[in-house]
Amino acid sequence: GAGVSQTPSNKVTEKGKYVELRCDPISGHTALYWYRQSLGQGPEFLIYFQGTGAADDSGLPNDRFFAVRPEGSVSTLKIQRTERGDSAVYLCASSSGTGSDNEQFFGPGTRLTVL
Amino acid sequence: GQSLEQPSEVTAVEGAIVQINCTYQTSGFYGLSWYQQHDGGAPTFLSYNALDGLEETGRFSSFLSRSDSYGYLLLQELQMKDSASYFCAVERAAGNKLTFGGGTRVLVKP
Repeated sequence: GAGVSQTPSNKVTEKGKYVELRCDPISGHTALYWYRQSLGQGPEFLIYFQGTGAADDSGLPNDRFFAVRPEGSVSTLKIQRTERGDSAVYLCASSSGTGSDNEQFFGPGTRLTVL
Repeated sequence: GQSLEQPSEVTAVEGAIVQINCTYQTSGFYGLSWYQQHDGGAPTFLSYNALDGLEETGRFSSFLSRSDSYGYLLLQELQMKDSASYFCAVERAAGNKLTFGGGTRVLVKP
């Protein structure tokens, strides 16, 4: 497809479990962003990749959260020992990095529910 | 800390004009973006201002005043499909992350 895709679309897990969320950015986009959005709020920045490296991970809430992008394309957000407060929609976005407006293209998100 | 303030909700009728204001306080400012998000959907890009002034894109226009740390999104000739949440977002460094406001829910009535 032409857009950003995320899998799974929904994930229900139990407190304490480990989860992985996957993002497939638009082909050729060098920049990839992860955000988290709670109901009724704006997206909250988690981490930003430029190519394979994390250019800014200042939004990761604690060391239970980790993300990788080993080949500069697909990215995986990993959450260890999930807590109920981690429940949210996790959004991935990508951008070409060359546009003058930094338009970010968002995927449909993964709705994570921690029971 | 970083903060962006925008009204929580606006209601208007079809054909009307709505202005959504956004004031920001951030460490670093490169540009102000606006995104639209329908319920259950992904945010989609509407406009971007890096310099002072008005940018017009069809029925939507966006304005920025850097000296006032203020911008707005103007929605003209409102249609039912414009019912959605609208977010202002500051780009604090070129190509970097966006810091979003809490969103303004726009409800368009017939």
